[in-house]
Formats: sequence, C-alpha cells, structure tokens
Amino acid sequence: ELQLLESGGDLVQPGGSLRLSCAASGFTFRSHGMSWVRQAPGKGLEWVSTIGADEYTYYADSVKGRFTISRDNSENTLYVQMNSLRAEDTATYYCAKYSGRTLGDVWGKGTAVIVSS
Amino acid sequence: QSALTQAASVSGSPGQSITISCTGTSSDIGGYNYVSWYQQLPGEAPKLIIYDVSNRPSGVSNRFSGSKAGNTASLTISGLQAEDEADYYCNSYSSISTRVFGGGTKLTVL
Repeated sequence: ELQLLESGGDLVQPGGSLRLSCAASGFTFRSHGMSWVRQAPGKGLEWVSTIGADEYTYYADSVKGRFTISRDNSENTLYVQMNSLRAEDTATYYCAKYSGRTLGDVWGKGTAVIVSS
Repeated sequence: QSALTQAASVSGSPGQSITISCTGTSSDIGGYNYVSWYQQLPGEAPKLIIYDVSNRPSGVSNRFSGSKAGNTASLTISGLQAEDEADYYCNSYSSISTRVFGGGTKLTVL
C-alpha cells in the first residue's frame, strides 16, 4: 500500500526553526518527485515546495530563502527545513507524491505547525 | 503567485449535476494540460479525482469529469450524492510558480 506519513509538527516561536519529515512506503521513492503543500486553519491549499526525482528544487515565493526541501532516497524520506518561521506559516503541512506531472496522487495525513509566542 | 480563481461555494440537490470552474491565465491553465482536481472531505487530506484535465484515477467514480477551454478548467459532478459534499480544489502547472492552487469551492448537497 502506498503510504506517506508526516511528522515533526510542533508549536514554535516566531523566528524559530523546525524540520518536518515524510516517510514514504509502498513505492519506489527515488523515482518520484515530491512536494509539500500546506493549509492554514480554515483556508485553502497552498503549494510550498517540490523536489524532483532529479533533486531539482522549487519553492513558492512565500517561503523562498527560508525553507529548504530535501530527500534521503536511502531512507525513503522527504524533509523540509523551515527557518525564520512567521505566524503566517501556521498550517497543516502535507507531503504529496508526484506521478509523472501529476501532483498528489498520494497524500499524507498532514502534520500541524503552529507559530506563536 | 496569484491563486487560480474558483467560486467560494456551489450547491445542488441529489441527482443533479453541478460544475465548478477554475480560471487562470495562459501561464498556467491555458498553457498546459496539467490541471488536477482534488476532493477534500472535512478533517481529511485531499484526494486526487481528476488529473491532466480530464483523466480519472483508478477507483474514482465516473460521475466526476473534467474539461478545459482556454484559461478555464471545469469539474463536473453528475448524479450528485450526499457523500460528494466536500471542498474541491483545482491545481495547475505554472510557468511562473511551478504549481498553483485555486482558492477552493465548498460544495453543499441540499
């Protein structure tokens, strides 16, 4: 069964850092692009970042320079390092798998990040 | 990075058909056939229901269909059922921002 499991969400102060993880199973992780998508409380989905199977990385303007996406193919795990966190980064963060050019044929259940003092 | 434009809400009665539109630009929807639609039930993660404008993943009901004309993509749900009540999001590849979502449409089944 294809599965994604996020972890690492927490309450963090503004200006702080956090690293989220997404453990993948049931498919050949190294062969697929992966993304982080977030959803602020009561709001819509927002694409955050993508890392290709070729390890090229892409970021939304709202997180560029603060977030870093990475992957460990030996551990089948996706990461996002989030620095200089702001209140507006408060959201549930989902990891999502690409199938070809299609974002999100598989989604994790999400992990909650709260940025507050 | 402007979001794609969706109506905030739509409603319909059981058995009816409804259409949700998603409007972008020539840099996203109009320029590529990489439009996807997702269904998000309350408290759950999104689920892919349409990809590449009009393709359904295995297991998704054929009551869901997608299309595109110019810079606007559409999701049609026919034979509306109570279980279809959810939020629906469109997404497109974008030459400007890689990926862009619509603001979401809340479907209410009356």
